[in-house]
Amino acid sequence: SAVISQKPSRDICQRGTSLTIQCQVDSQVTMMFWYRQQPGQSLTLIATANQGSEATYESGFVIDKFPISRPNLTFSTLTVSNMSPEDSSIYLCSVLTDSAYEQYFGPGTRLTVT
Amino acid sequence: QKEVEQDPGPLSVPEGAIVSLNCTYSNSAFQYFMWYRQYSRKGPELLMYTYSSGNKEDGRFTAQVDKSSKYISLFIRDSQPSDSATYLCAMSARTGGFKTIFGAGTRLFVKA
Repeated sequence: SAVISQKPSRDICQRGTSLTIQCQVDSQVTMMFWYRQQPGQSLTLIATANQGSEATYESGFVIDKFPISRPNLTFSTLTVSNMSPEDSSIYLCSVLTDSAYEQYFGPGTRLTVT
Repeated sequence: QKEVEQDPGPLSVPEGAIVSLNCTYSNSAFQYFMWYRQYSRKGPELLMYTYSSGNKEDGRFTAQVDKSSKYISLFIRDSQPSDSATYLCAMSARTGGFKTIFGAGTRLFVKA
């Protein structure tokens, strides 16, 4: 299994500002992901965070809006830039264990943009 | 047609009932099948994980995969109020990377 922590757990931000979310895993993993979950909705993949190279973004998500860093195999950050109320959502970090291909999620960061 | 179809519910059952949750999918390349439980304001928790077809049992939970019908199920026996949550099915394929597709989630309420 994998234990994932995220910081902050929640935040209320002003329109036009940026927020960086941190994700820490208790073991080294090759694949880390960032998801968004809007109220009452399922999970939408934002990007795959690649260690040592640029993240791979899904359709509809761009690096300028959601820059991602992955400096090592246990840590990643997601920045939500130039926020608008439409960015209000839960942002979830997820990892895939290297041995069993099991996918785990962090507790999420609840973001409200006013 | 969505790749994964899941009835969003809500599903309301009395305590002690057997709960059946289901998903259908269209992509025959899926090899890994998961069920997640998500409590309100929490991240999804991996509940059951199955590779390819067959059944898997863990306590009160049983996961079934029928690849020929492209149909997966989660059964909860002796349901408890603490089982009240949203249950998401998910499935993955390793072709062209590793990407997981999630169902919409079924909201379950178990009444005491």
